[in-house]
Amino acid sequence: EAGVAQSPRYKIIEKRQSVAFWCNPISGHATLYWYQQILGQGPKLLIQFQNNGVVDDSQLPKDRFSAERLKGVDSTLKIQPAKLEDSAVYLCASSSPYSGEEKLFFGSGTQLSVL
Amino acid sequence: AQSVAQPEDQVNVAEGNPLTVKCTYSVSGNPYLFWYVQYPNRGLQFLLKYITGDNLVKGSYGFEAEFNKSQTSFHLKKPSALVSDSALYFCAVRRPSGYSTLTFGKGTMLLVSP
Repeated sequence: EAGVAQSPRYKIIEKRQSVAFWCNPISGHATLYWYQQILGQGPKLLIQFQNNGVVDDSQLPKDRFSAERLKGVDSTLKIQPAKLEDSAVYLCASSSPYSGEEKLFFGSGTQLSVL
Repeated sequence: AQSVAQPEDQVNVAEGNPLTVKCTYSVSGNPYLFWYVQYPNRGLQFLLKYITGDNLVKGSYGFEAEFNKSQTSFHLKKPSALVSDSALYFCAVRRPSGYSTLTFGKGTMLLVSP
């Protein structure tokens, strides 16, 4: 079974620029998550999708972050404009009721550096 | 609100010795508890979970965890550590009822020396 795919693997941008991350979840997984992992901290949920609908985006900084999951499969997370404090690893995860919704499968992440 | 505390930033153990990585939690009601492991340049991998039932749960790679309700703890254990167990370990919690997100601790680095 193919895992969760994310790209790019690394991204370096200057503050106030925009950036986008892409995620392809495991085939058939209806639930998709975006987490932000700042160095030295645990992952923090940014947004959760159930198919193409948003279940929870309470911790998403909506003035600069946006995410979409068109057609309920792939997802993109965008930051515009980026700030220095956005430097982090952005993790995508997916889950399915068939493997236990509590068990999340994570991608390798996108490491973002904002200079 | 729910939270997880991992009091140790790093745990050092010699190969072949038992290891324990500590976790305490705070959540209203009965918790769902998890351990995930993160190897360098990799995403998090599920190790084990406690939902209900036996307080000792067994997971991948010989790891196990003990749920202690009175101490609100869910410590990760392994009887004999391997060098390859060296990684970053995260404890996580969520409420079982209704919609609830998974809240992670800050992580504990486990270093197993040969």
